[in-house]
Amino acid sequence: QVQLVQSGAEVKKPGSSVKVSCKVSGGTFSTEGIAWVRQAPGQGLEWMGGIVPLFVKANYARKFQDRVTITADERTTTAFMELSRLRLEDTGVYFCARTDNSGWFSPEDDWGQGTLVTVSS
Amino acid sequence: DIQMTQSPSSLSASVGDRITITCRASESISTYLKWFQQKPGKAPRLLIYAASTLQSGVPSRFRGSGSGTDFTLTISSLQPEDFATYHCHQSYGHPVTFGQGTKVEIK
Repeated sequence: QVQLVQSGAEVKKPGSSVKVSCKVSGGTFSTEGIAWVRQAPGQGLEWMGGIVPLFVKANYARKFQDRVTITADERTTTAFMELSRLRLEDTGVYFCARTDNSGWFSPEDDWGQGTLVTVSS
Repeated sequence: DIQMTQSPSSLSASVGDRITITCRASESISTYLKWFQQKPGKAPRLLIYAASTLQSGVPSRFRGSGSGTDFTLTISSLQPEDFATYHCHQSYGHPVTFGQGTKVEIK
C-alpha cells in the first residue's frame, strides 16, 4: 500500500519561495511518477508538473515553468516542489500524487494529504 | 492546452436521486478521461478512468461514459456520502488539465 505524506502548512511573504515535500512509502519510488497539483481557495484543480525520479528531468505546465522546480531524492523516497517569486494568488493547497503510465504525469488514486501555502504580506 | 468544461457548476439533489454531470473537452481526447471525487479538506479520490472503467472499490452506482469530446458521470441513486465536488480530468495531452469542478449539494 502506497502512502504519500506531505510537509506542514507554510506562511510566506510575496517574492519569497516555498519548498513542499512529499514522502512516499511503498511502491517503487524510482520508476513511478509523482505529480504536483494546486488548488486555490474555492477553485478547481490545477496541474503544475511531474517527475519520474529515475529520469531526474521534470515536466512542467507552461504557466509555472519559470517559477517551479520539482525534484526527487531516491535515497529518502521524497519528492519536492519549490515555487519561487511567490504572489498572493499562489495561496492554496498543494497536493502530490502518484501518476499513471500515460507519460503525461496524470494523477491516479494515491495522493498526499495536501499542504496549505498562504502568501501574505 | 485542452480546456475541460463541466456542467453544471453546482447542483442540489436529494438522497436517492439520479444525477448526471457532463464534461466537454475543447478537442478530442479519445477516452483519456478520469473522474475524481473530492470532499472538503481532503485529497481527490479517483472514481473512474478511461472514461468508463470503475476504480477498484468504487460503488457500482457510479457510471462514466463518453468518448471524443463529450463525457458524463452518472450517480444512479445518490447516497449521503456522495455529496462532494466532482472533477473531470484529461490525460490525452500535455499539459493534463481538469474541469472546474461540480459541487453536489444536499437539497
